[in-house]
Amino acid sequence: AQTVTQSQPEMSVQEAETVTLSCTYDTSESDYYLFWYKQPPSRQMILVIRQEAYKQQNATENRFSVNFQKAAKSFSLKISDSQLGDAAMYFCAYRFGGGSQGNLIFGKGTKLSVKP
Amino acid sequence: NAGVTQTPKFQVLKTGQSMTLQCAQDMNHEYMSWYRQDPGMGLRLIHYSVGAGITDQGEVPNGYNVSRSTTEDFPLRLLSAAPSQTSVYFCASSPRTSGVHTQYFGPGTRLTVL
Repeated sequence: AQTVTQSQPEMSVQEAETVTLSCTYDTSESDYYLFWYKQPPSRQMILVIRQEAYKQQNATENRFSVNFQKAAKSFSLKISDSQLGDAAMYFCAYRFGGGSQGNLIFGKGTKLSVKP
Repeated sequence: NAGVTQTPKFQVLKTGQSMTLQCAQDMNHEYMSWYRQDPGMGLRLIHYSVGAGITDQGEVPNGYNVSRSTTEDFPLRLLSAAPSQTSVYFCASSPRTSGVHTQYFGPGTRLTVL
């Protein structure tokens, strides 16, 4: 069975600095997708960034980028120039690419604090 | 385009009561699902549907029922509420089940069972 592990329950970063959140996953599949979701105190789940496993190039979205290491099954999120609004829970998620299911498997989350 | 809507936002039940959490989407998405979020546990899949009339169990289905009579609606029924079902419930939808399609989440329902 596929699993997603986030080993950092909490992280803290100074405003304007860079922070990296870790995520590892376990799967025997070659076709899959990886996601980072942000959950602010409002509880809304917001997609931050996504990565197709077949793409070697790391995804980037403005200040957010990933370091996708397929062989190591690692998918870390880097937030550059951290802002107060980045404070939230961050969830890493995996989805199998084939079959008829679109189910996400989530890690337990990392709570990010941003200090002014 | 309202996206994914959930009602109610908050609910308090007594043990043994039943209720239905409503979920609707207006994006004509094939795939819909229900997750529960507990502290320190991330989100876990309860039930999902790949189209009208088709549902299946996820990781934690016990104590919950679903049906999908229309593309738009995917209600979650608690048959006899238990304190262990105290949680935040999220409904999500996506255009198709395959490919990199993003799942869109509703705002969540916070349920407390006394």
